[in-house]
Amino acid sequence: EVQLVESGGGLVQPGGSLRLSCAASGFTFTNFWMSWVRQTPGKGLEWVANLNEDGSAQYYVDSVKGRFTVSRDNARNSLYLQMDSLRAEDTAVYYCARDSGWSRGYAQYWGQGTLVTVSS
Amino acid sequence: DVVMTQSPLSLPVTLGQPASISCRSSQSLVDSDGNTYLSWIQQRPGQSPRRLIYKASDRDSGVPDRFSGSGSGTDFTLRISRVEAEDVGIYYCMQVMHWPPTFGQGTKLEIK
Repeated sequence: EVQLVESGGGLVQPGGSLRLSCAASGFTFTNFWMSWVRQTPGKGLEWVANLNEDGSAQYYVDSVKGRFTVSRDNARNSLYLQMDSLRAEDTAVYYCARDSGWSRGYAQYWGQGTLVTVSS
Repeated sequence: DVVMTQSPLSLPVTLGQPASISCRSSQSLVDSDGNTYLSWIQQRPGQSPRRLIYKASDRDSGVPDRFSGSGSGTDFTLRISRVEAEDVGIYYCMQVMHWPPTFGQGTKLEIK
């Protein structure tokens, strides 16, 4: 059974940093692209970043470019999202998601999410 | 970014009756490989999102066959042939043809 478990969320001040983790199990982690997607009551669902199988290619939505970094440790079956220079508008539930194993097969499986709150 | 527009935003349905949700994209979602990169996502109350449909009309494994997707180009539809209580939630269309993937506003399905 595919399982994705996020952790690392919490309360952080504007301008601060946070690192999210996603522990994957139930599949061969090195075979799949991974993604981060966030959800807010106001803006709905928003794609954040994609990362290819070996971590050599990262893609970001414009609103987080230069501030967020997606990475993975294939030996630990883990995905990460380093979030720097956080803003109030980054407040959201952050989900990690796994693709289907083919081009543009995004977000077949989702984790349970971790809440990030950016506030002073 | 590609704008995804859903209608209706609220959908009250009687148990056992059909339901239909529309989604329109601001750009074509057809690739040169012939595939149409439109997915449908279900989010039940208090749960994480779950993909139901990919490539406009293919059901993910474990998805009941009462769910079906159709459409091409810029106009798409999710149909539920007979609504069950477990179908309550919010449904999103999602385009993955263009970067970044974008979502519709969501359609809240409730039981009358």
